[in-house]
Amino acid sequence: AQSVAQPEDQVNVAEGNPLTVKCTYSVSGNPYLFWYVQYPNRGLQFLLKYITGDNLVKGSYGFEAEFNKSQTSFHLKKPSALVSDSALYFCAVRDMDSNYQLIWGAGTKLIIKP
Amino acid sequence: DGGITQSPKYLFRKEGQNVTLSCEQNLNHDAMYWYRQDPGQGLRLIYYSQIVNDFQKGDIAEGYSVSREKKESFPLTVTSAQKNPTAFYLCASSYEWGGGNEKLFFGSGTQLSVL
Repeated sequence: AQSVAQPEDQVNVAEGNPLTVKCTYSVSGNPYLFWYVQYPNRGLQFLLKYITGDNLVKGSYGFEAEFNKSQTSFHLKKPSALVSDSALYFCAVRDMDSNYQLIWGAGTKLIIKP
Repeated sequence: DGGITQSPKYLFRKEGQNVTLSCEQNLNHDAMYWYRQDPGQGLRLIYYSQIVNDFQKGDIAEGYSVSREKKESFPLTVTSAQKNPTAFYLCASSYEWGGGNEKLFFGSGTQLSVL
């Protein structure tokens, strides 16, 4: 069965420090992987996606994510956190070979402290 | 500006009542989706539509109904059969269904509560 895990409910980072939000996945075929961000009482916004190619994907607002096939991970990273990065982050996966729907992680709340 | 508009922002349902959530997009997208978001959970798919006049059940379709009579509109009705309707409802669209080209555009959501 397809699944996505975001092992941390909340991540706290000081402003200016690097941040990592973790995501691991399980699919039977090759994955499409996505990160979205949700600000309070708003819909989600697309950050980046991995389909194929370079394992390091760059996205919006200075975020990037690294696809690691052996560890089945797709962690979201940013070199220097901003207070405005504080939000809820969702990882999602689709099995490339099944044409099935997106499967979503439970979300990780990122808090950046000044 | 192009985007997705959901209305109302807040909605209250009385017991036994059906309520309809509106979703309109002007992005000329073929695919549209309804998700339910509960605290501490990922998004769960209620219904999706790959093209106008067609729609499919998602994982939690029971107690909900949809229609897709126009490309730009995908309203969701929460029926009285849905016993736990309190949640944040998100409508989304994408250029097409699947194939990796699945950058979803989301509306701002509707918070539904039971009186």
